Amino acid sequence: EAGVAQSPRYKIIEKRQSVAFWCNPISGHATLYWYQQILGQGPKLLIQFQNNGVVDDSQLPKDRFSAERLKGVDSTLKIQPAKLEDSAVYLCASSLYSSYNEQFFGPGTRLTVL
Amino acid sequence: TQLLEQSPQFLSIQEGENLTVYCNSSSVFSSLQWYRQEPGEGPVLLVTVVTGGEVKKLKRLTFQFGDARKDSSLHITAAQPGDTGLYLCAGAQGGSEKLVFGKGMKLTVNP
Repeated sequence: EAGVAQSPRYKIIEKRQSVAFWCNPISGHATLYWYQQILGQGPKLLIQFQNNGVVDDSQLPKDRFSAERLKGVDSTLKIQPAKLEDSAVYLCASSLYSSYNEQFFGPGTRLTVL
Repeated sequence: TQLLEQSPQFLSIQEGENLTVYCNSSSVFSSLQWYRQEPGEGPVLLVTVVTGGEVKKLKRLTFQFGDARKDSSLHITAAQPGDTGLYLCAGAQGGSEKLVFGKGMKLTVNP
């Protein structure tokens, strides 16, 4: 079974630029999560989708971050404009039905904002 | 304010030693999970504990959930270099069972 795929793996941009990350969850998984992991910290949930609907986006900085999950499969996370403090690893995870099921994480995208 | 406090934050030991990692909170969780994360990879689930006082064993790893479901510990017996990694605890809260992660404990096991 293929795992959660993410791209790109690494991205370096300058502050005020825009960036987008892509995630392809495990086939058949209804729930998809985006986490932000700053160096030295644990992952922090940014947004949770169930199919193509948003379950929780309470910690998503909506003035600059946006995410969508069209057709309930792939998802993209965008930052516009980026700030220095956005430097982090962005992890995508998926679970079969809901948060009650095991979450499987992708390898993450490491973002550096200069 | 960190909801889940992990200690120690860093540990470097020799192969064969034992160690215990603690995960503490003032909040009650419906379940608590332990993950291991290697550099350049996402976290991988090791165990989920649900019942207060529950003890689970996974080969040389022993996990315990506190009676009040506010804390947990992970004990590794006879650590091996392959155990090297970042150990994260995560508590599930609220109706959506959102996971809240601790900062993690970075373990290095030297051969």
